[in-house]
Amino acid sequence: DAGVTQSPTHLIKTRGQHVTLRCSPISGHKSVSWYQQVLGQGPQFIFQYYEKEERGRGNFPDRFSARQFPNYSSELNVNALLLGDSALYLCASSLNTGGTEAFFGQGTRLTVV
Amino acid sequence: AQSVTQLDSQVPVFEEAPVELRCNYSSSVSVYLFWYVQYPNQGLQLLLKYLSGSTLVKSINGFEAEFNKSQTSFHLRKPSVHISDTAEYFCALTNAGGTSYGKLTFGQGTILTVHP
Repeated sequence: DAGVTQSPTHLIKTRGQHVTLRCSPISGHKSVSWYQQVLGQGPQFIFQYYEKEERGRGNFPDRFSARQFPNYSSELNVNALLLGDSALYLCASSLNTGGTEAFFGQGTRLTVV
Repeated sequence: AQSVTQLDSQVPVFEEAPVELRCNYSSSVSVYLFWYVQYPNQGLQLLLKYLSGSTLVKSINGFEAEFNKSQTSFHLRKPSVHISDTAEYFCALTNAGGTSYGKLTFGQGTILTVHP
C-alpha cells in the first residue's frame, strides 16, 4: 500500500511568489494535516482538514491557505512568499480525527530566495 | 496552552550503551503522547504512543517510554543502542478523545548520535 505522498519533493521560489504543495493521503484516510518544520525546530501545526472541511488552524498568517478535495487529497497554498517560509512542509494523514495515529509523508523542502 | 519540552537538544552515546531522551509536557486536559523519529531528509515515523492503559509502552525495535502523569513526563529509553538509531527524535502530544481533531504539538527535537 502506498503511504502518504507529497509533491514536489523540493522547490525553489523567489520572494513574493506563490507556491502550491500537494498531498495524497493513505487510501481510506479522510483527515489531512499540514505542518511546517523550520530547520532545527519541531514541526508546527498549520491546518487540519476532515471530510473537506477545515477543522483546525494554527497560528499562521492568512497568506497560508489549504483545501481538501473529494478524493481526500489536499493542497497547501502560500502567497507572497517570505524568506522565513523556507522550511520542510509535512503532510500527515489519519483515518479520522480521533488523534490516535498520524502517518507522515516525506515532506516538501521549500527554499525561498 | 499546551507545550512539549525536550530537555536535551543533542545526546551523544556509544554503541551498545543505554540512552534516555527526556520529554516533559504541559496540558490542562488529558493527552495522548507520541514519540516520532526522523532520519535525515525524511518525514516522521511513529516510534511508539501512549493512549491509555499500561503506562509503559514499547516499540518493535527495543525502545520504550513510560507515561508519568504526576511528573508530566514521557521519557524514551533504550537499554542498548545501535549505530542505526542515529536520528532526530520528537516527542508530541494531542488532546485525548479527539477534541483537537488530532492536532499534534511537538517538542524541539533531540538529535541522538550513536558513536562506534
